[in-house]
Amino acid sequence: DIQMTQSPASLSASLEEIVTITCQASQDIGNWLAWYQQKPGKSPQLLIYGATSLADGVPSRFSGSRSGTQYSLKISRLQVEDIGIYYCQQASSAPLTFGSGTKLEIK
Amino acid sequence: EVQLVESGGGLVQPGRSLKLSCAASGFTFSNYYMAWVRQAPKKGLEWVATISTSGSRTYYPDSVKGRFTISRDNAKSSLYLQMNSLKSEDTATYYCARHPTTSYVMDAWGQGASVTVSS
Repeated sequence: DIQMTQSPASLSASLEEIVTITCQASQDIGNWLAWYQQKPGKSPQLLIYGATSLADGVPSRFSGSRSGTQYSLKISRLQVEDIGIYYCQQASSAPLTFGSGTKLEIK
Repeated sequence: EVQLVESGGGLVQPGRSLKLSCAASGFTFSNYYMAWVRQAPKKGLEWVATISTSGSRTYYPDSVKGRFTISRDNAKSSLYLQMNSLKSEDTATYYCARHPTTSYVMDAWGQGASVTVSS
């Protein structure tokens, strides 16, 4: 199984700050990587697919990047509505696996 | 608007069965692979099952293989999850989700159905 190691587990940042969350895949998954946002009490929502492509309706302050088997989600200017838990997911092979999540709070 | 609405959750005793349903609307259901993903209380996301467009191919992680069965009825735009031999560790919110046509990410999610396995 492909393991997705996500960090940090939690993050507190100020409004307008740049925030970065990372996921390390245990083996090559190419660009088969997605990021999801789960707001409190809600279902997850797709943010990024194909490691770098923005899903429909997602603000442009979100972006994804890849360096080898390390993947990053960046929020360029943190907003209040961005609080929640963020998950990465590998879509390369079954079993599909998620990172353990990053809880993002406003400082 | 894409909508996925789960139903059928509830409290069930260990060892018993439960069947979840997901009603889809706002898109051509038969064109998409579909999935179930669960989230135990205060825990992360776990993929549970995926089914092909025709239903001929299904995929499961080892944690549920042989106990859970995913199925679909394209005429009714509905997805199902039959859960047998339930264990306490199956307690979770179960989400119905859609795979886009070119990937195994999940681009639409339902609101979730809560399943509690307890005596």
